[in-house]
Amino acid sequence: AQSVTQPDIHITVSEGASLELRCNYSYGATPYLFWYVQSPGQGLQLLLKYFSGDTLVQGIKGFEAEFKRSQSSFNLRKPSVHWSDAAEYFCAVGPGGGADGLTFGKGTHLIIQP
Amino acid sequence: NAGVTQTPKFRILKIGQSMTLQCAQDMNHNYMYWYRQDPGMGLKLIYYSVGAGITDKGEVPNGYNVSRSTTEDFPLRLELAAPSQTSVYFCASSYGANQPQHFGDGTRLSIL
Repeated sequence: AQSVTQPDIHITVSEGASLELRCNYSYGATPYLFWYVQSPGQGLQLLLKYFSGDTLVQGIKGFEAEFKRSQSSFNLRKPSVHWSDAAEYFCAVGPGGGADGLTFGKGTHLIIQP
Repeated sequence: NAGVTQTPKFRILKIGQSMTLQCAQDMNHNYMYWYRQDPGMGLKLIYYSVGAGITDKGEVPNGYNVSRSTTEDFPLRLELAAPSQTSVYFCASSYGANQPQHFGDGTRLSIL
């Protein structure tokens, strides 16, 4: 069965500093990978996705992620964080053989220090 | 452009009561999903649907039922509310099985 691990429950970063959120997955075939962001009291918003092709994908709000098959990772990065980036971030892997939903990691809570 | 709309946003139920969480999408998506989100646990799939008249169980379906009579609507029903069903419920939809899912803003449900 597919699974997603986000090793960091909380991360604190100073405003203006760079950010990397880790995501490792277990999947039997070529994965479909996603990063979502959730602001308090809101639903999940898609930041970026990887289906195939270029392993470095660009997303909204200045985020990017790199797919590394050898490491089964899909880490999210941003060169300079803003206070508005404080949120919960979820990595997800695409459906298994059928149409069932995404498998999500447990999330990383990002705190931005002034 | 509404996207995925969930109602109500908040609800408190007593143990044993029943209710229906509503979900509607206006993007003509065939695929729709119900998740629950518990603190520190990510999202767990309850039920999903690949089109009108077709539904299937996800990871945690016990205590819930769904129906899909139209492409737009995918209600989730709790028949006998239990404290373990206290959670935030999210509905999502997508164009296809491996396409990005669009989420509603959630329904926060407390069972007391």
